[in-house]
Amino acid sequence: GESVGLHLPTLSVQEGDNSIINCAYSNSASDYFIWYKQESGKGPQFIIDIRSNMDKRQGQRVTVLLNKTVKHLSLQIAATQPGDSAVYFCAETLGYQKVTFGTGTKLQVIP
Amino acid sequence: KAGVTQTPRYLIKTRGQQVTLSCSPISGHRSVSWYQQTPGQGLQFLFEYFSETQRNKGNFPGRFSGRQFSNSRSEMNVSTLELGDSALYLCASSLGSAGSYEQYFGPGTRLTVT
Repeated sequence: GESVGLHLPTLSVQEGDNSIINCAYSNSASDYFIWYKQESGKGPQFIIDIRSNMDKRQGQRVTVLLNKTVKHLSLQIAATQPGDSAVYFCAETLGYQKVTFGTGTKLQVIP
Repeated sequence: KAGVTQTPRYLIKTRGQQVTLSCSPISGHRSVSWYQQTPGQGLQFLFEYFSETQRNKGNFPGRFSGRQFSNSRSEMNVSTLELGDSALYLCASSLGSAGSYEQYFGPGTRLTVT
């Protein structure tokens, strides 16, 4: 399978618990942020996004929090399931300039 | 609606050769971006094409080039391959218009340079 998960920080969570994945972004001028999920052997899949004029956005079982003061982004997954096991990336962009991805966090869900 | 497709899925080349990778975006999407993914460097932006024009470019040497056709299909070319070019090359498509930044990724092309 794809070796995306090598050398990445790993978060291990019990099935049913909530997961929080954190990301520090680099450009204080970035105005759009995205979280992606990448499963082994697949390309990244969009999860949720947030614009810089918001500090919180909720989706189905996921919530993204944005703290522009400290340039921090977090992804909260409620009631984590085995199918949530993957590598999660945050990404930032300014206008429609190049998208910069974070290094990624591997989420392992323990059944 | 069909997703983003990339061909070939796997490729083995030797140093010094060149390679061309292809990406077909989702129907109606006019923007195609290319990324290189390696375990050591993560996901790195190569370039983005919109309506046949390169709109944004990352920090890769000139050996990496691309183009986009009138049907929005895109190709990426790497000349004079080096061992360090071994990676998963991903393309992503989006509408490309202001406020529509959501990108849809293909499965990638795994390039191995020997």
